[in-house]
Amino acid sequence: KQEVTQIPAALSVPEGENLVLNCSFTDSAIYNLQWFRQDPGKGLTSLLLIQSSQREQTSGRLNASLDKSSGRSTLYIAASQPGDSATYLCAVRRPGGSNYKLTFGKGTLLTVNP
Amino acid sequence: NAGVTQTPKFRVLKTGQSMTLLCAQDMNHEYMYWYRQDPGMGLRLIHYSVGEGTTAKGEVPDGYNVSRLKKQNFLLGLESAAPSQTSVYFCASSTDSQAKNIQYFGAGTRLSVL
Repeated sequence: KQEVTQIPAALSVPEGENLVLNCSFTDSAIYNLQWFRQDPGKGLTSLLLIQSSQREQTSGRLNASLDKSSGRSTLYIAASQPGDSATYLCAVRRPGGSNYKLTFGKGTLLTVNP
Repeated sequence: NAGVTQTPKFRVLKTGQSMTLLCAQDMNHEYMYWYRQDPGMGLRLIHYSVGEGTTAKGEVPDGYNVSRLKKQNFLLGLESAAPSQTSVYFCASSTDSQAKNIQYFGAGTRLSVL
């Protein structure tokens, strides 16, 4: 059974700091991995999707890496801003055309202090 | 851009009552999903649909029924609500593209069963 772990559960940093969020998964046989952002009382917003054949994806100040063999992904946020404060979730999808299930981690609550 | 819209946003039920949660998407997506989010458990897939008229069980389907009579709508029903169904429910949709299966989420429905 796939299990996804995110460490740390919570992180507080001063504005402007670069930071890394970690995601690990127990079964390396994945189709893709996604990073989401969830604001309080809101739904999830997809930030980055990395296919199993890719090593990283970038979007603005965000960079996500994937090391499938070791079962790890990181989300790097450069020059953090108070607006980055949210819960960040990673999710992995199993391979196979009919496997639509995403297995989510419990998230990292990020607070960026002005 | 409406995206994925969930109604209602909040609901309080008594044990044994029934209700239906409505999810509507305007992105012409083939796939739709219902998740529940509980503290300490992460998001878990309840049911999903790969097209109009089709539904399938996810990870935690017991106590719920779904219907996809129209492509843009996915309904989640609770026939006899139980306190264990107190949760935040999220609907999501995605394309049928295997290469870029990003899921788009609604804002959620907060349900309390007393």
